[in-house]
Amino acid sequence: GQQLNQSPQSMFIQEGEDVSTNCTSSSIFNTWLWYKQEPGEGPVLLIALYKAGELTSNGRLTAQFGITRKDSFLNISASIPSDVGIYFCAGQESGGSNYKLTFGKGTLLTVNP
Amino acid sequence: DAGITQSPRHKVTETGTPVTLRCHQTENHRYMYWYRQDPGHGLRLIHYSYGVKDTDKGEVSDGYSVSRSKTEDFLLTLESATSSQTSVYFCAITGLAGDREQFFGPGTRLTVL
Repeated sequence: GQQLNQSPQSMFIQEGEDVSTNCTSSSIFNTWLWYKQEPGEGPVLLIALYKAGELTSNGRLTAQFGITRKDSFLNISASIPSDVGIYFCAGQESGGSNYKLTFGKGTLLTVNP
Repeated sequence: DAGITQSPRHKVTETGTPVTLRCHQTENHRYMYWYRQDPGHGLRLIHYSYGVKDTDKGEVSDGYSVSRSKTEDFLLTLESATSSQTSVYFCAITGLAGDREQFFGPGTRLTVL
């Protein structure tokens, strides 16, 4: 089935630094979603993207839907300790049915105060 | 808050026993999903429902069955649990904000001994 490649697998940064994670797919997507998951909790939707080239922000988070429709990135600016968690992408393949999503394996973010 | 609850939140059971997990939503969403989350695999779709008594298989459906007799409840059953079904199970719904955005419950951690 469809696979998403998400990188990096983990990131260790200092508080205040900017950081990015990105996802690529082998086929065209019509939707990209970015989630954050903290230990013991369910994923929380951060940003939704629906059009190629779309750039959307949510506070210090910015995500873009790639022009080729096969990739997306999430950027976190001026990181703080509460940004710690797993960030993962999800996408819906063009022509896909019944709102099924494919998920990346996630990027684990650690922020050192 | 998408109004999703899961029960139980934690369960330990023995190989060969039946187990049923419940997902309950309060906002009449049509689509509901069951995922499992395992290290190195990310979120994988088990089954989903697109209405009362309307369900379909996901990518890892073997060993699982589901039922949806009411809009608000989506049940996941392991007829005879195996150790390979030890995982964290998440329920999700497609929210009102956009058909392709999925919102997750808090998860159920299942251990099969």
